[in-house]
Amino acid sequence: GQNIDQPTEMTATEGAIVQINCTYQTSGFNGLFWYQQHAGEAPTFLSYNVLDGLEEKGRFSSFLSRSKGYSYLLLKELQMKDSASYLCAVMDSNYQLIWGAGTKLIIKP
Amino acid sequence: IAGITQAPTSQILAAGRRMTLRCTQDMRHNAMYWYRQDLGLGLRLIHYSNTAGTTGKGEVPDGYSVSRANTDDFPLTLASAVPSQTSVYFCASSGLAGANNEQFFGPGTRLTVL
Repeated sequence: GQNIDQPTEMTATEGAIVQINCTYQTSGFNGLFWYQQHAGEAPTFLSYNVLDGLEEKGRFSSFLSRSKGYSYLLLKELQMKDSASYLCAVMDSNYQLIWGAGTKLIIKP
Repeated sequence: IAGITQAPTSQILAAGRRMTLRCTQDMRHNAMYWYRQDLGLGLRLIHYSNTAGTTGKGEVPDGYSVSRANTDDFPLTLASAVPSQTSVYFCASSGLAGANNEQFFGPGTRLTVL
């Protein structure tokens, strides 16, 4: 079957760095997405990786290793507004997104 | 309007009733999707449409139907609601159905079936 695993919850301190991991087993691979979802709101796109390596976008970076079925989202200089759930999703061989359950990130002052 | 709108925002429905959730986008996106989101689970795809006039089944299609008569609208119908369909429903769209096309989400409909 298809499976996306990510931690349920993480806590970090304002101004610090946090890494949210995602491992996947899917039928085919056409890219990995990270989305942010604030409580009670819709998911919004953060990043897309299809090749191995690091993609940097401001305070957020996303890494992919296809051979290991592994990705992480790195958030630097954490701000209180970064408190949200972070969703990992893989596009499978049918070009459908398979979603992880999300990681709830709690930022403490 | 800009983006994707969904209606209603929330609804409480008696089991056995028929319900249509509305979704409209003004971005001229070809592909549209319906997901449900339940606590502790990832978003699950109910139905999708790669272009106007075509639809397909996702991971959890039973009890739901969709239509795509035009580019902008993609309604989701529950023919006879059951309590297990209590969930938050998100409509999404992307320019094309395929690899690096990010999906844009509507604000969601919170549905409770009693």
